Amino acid sequence: QSVLTQPPSTSGTPGQRVTISCSGSSSNIGSNNVYWYQQLPGTAPKLLIYRNNQRPSGVPDRFSGSKSGTSASLAISGLRSEDEADYYCAAWDDSLSGWVFGGGTKLTVL
Amino acid sequence: EVQLLESGGGLVQPGGSLRLSCAASGFTFSNYVMTWVRQAPGKGLEWVSGISGSGGRTYYADSVKGRLTISRENSKNTLYLQMNSLRAEDTAVYYCAKSSSSSPYDAFDIWGQGTMVTVSS
Repeated sequence: QSVLTQPPSTSGTPGQRVTISCSGSSSNIGSNNVYWYQQLPGTAPKLLIYRNNQRPSGVPDRFSGSKSGTSASLAISGLRSEDEADYYCAAWDDSLSGWVFGGGTKLTVL
Repeated sequence: EVQLLESGGGLVQPGGSLRLSCAASGFTFSNYVMTWVRQAPGKGLEWVSGISGSGGRTYYADSVKGRLTISRENSKNTLYLQMNSLRAEDTAVYYCAKSSSSSPYDAFDIWGQGTMVTVSS
């Protein structure tokens, strides 16, 4: 059972907008930044969003992040087949003095 | 080019030991927090341990405290994970990751390709 809660799966058709939620608590999301990672099949994770809503260079602006209270979300607009991947949220947890991840959300592009 | 290359994975019996290495290149290694993250087969990501740039501060997940030890050798640009008293539940791909700053609270911006550890008799 992960400390951060994500839906196990979601799907969309090309061009659609999808959102992935990430729910935590006051000791993690409520007091620290949220990060999102994309893991394409058979590859290492890649940083997608940092400090709640910042995109590293090279990440398309179709990807956006937001945070409110103890929850965060990742939005992907203009869905493309290459977006099919697992997405993980993460945050530092002050109570655990360590990083916690969500269980991951598998995005299927229909 | 910034790169991380893990090695040292393999098959080990329960109760055994293994040492993972992560060779870094393309950046000033000692300036950054480094981290180990693992992923059991078919499962999600789990943070394992982190270490400050100087090596003076270390952080561990409760699930590995007392059994796994993180260290670094800045003169060799290498990160290590000494794994003792291994259990079946330690079976996973182990990724080495670089923090984007000297803070332990910042993103993991570069990841290695991972090394597989299998604990089985």
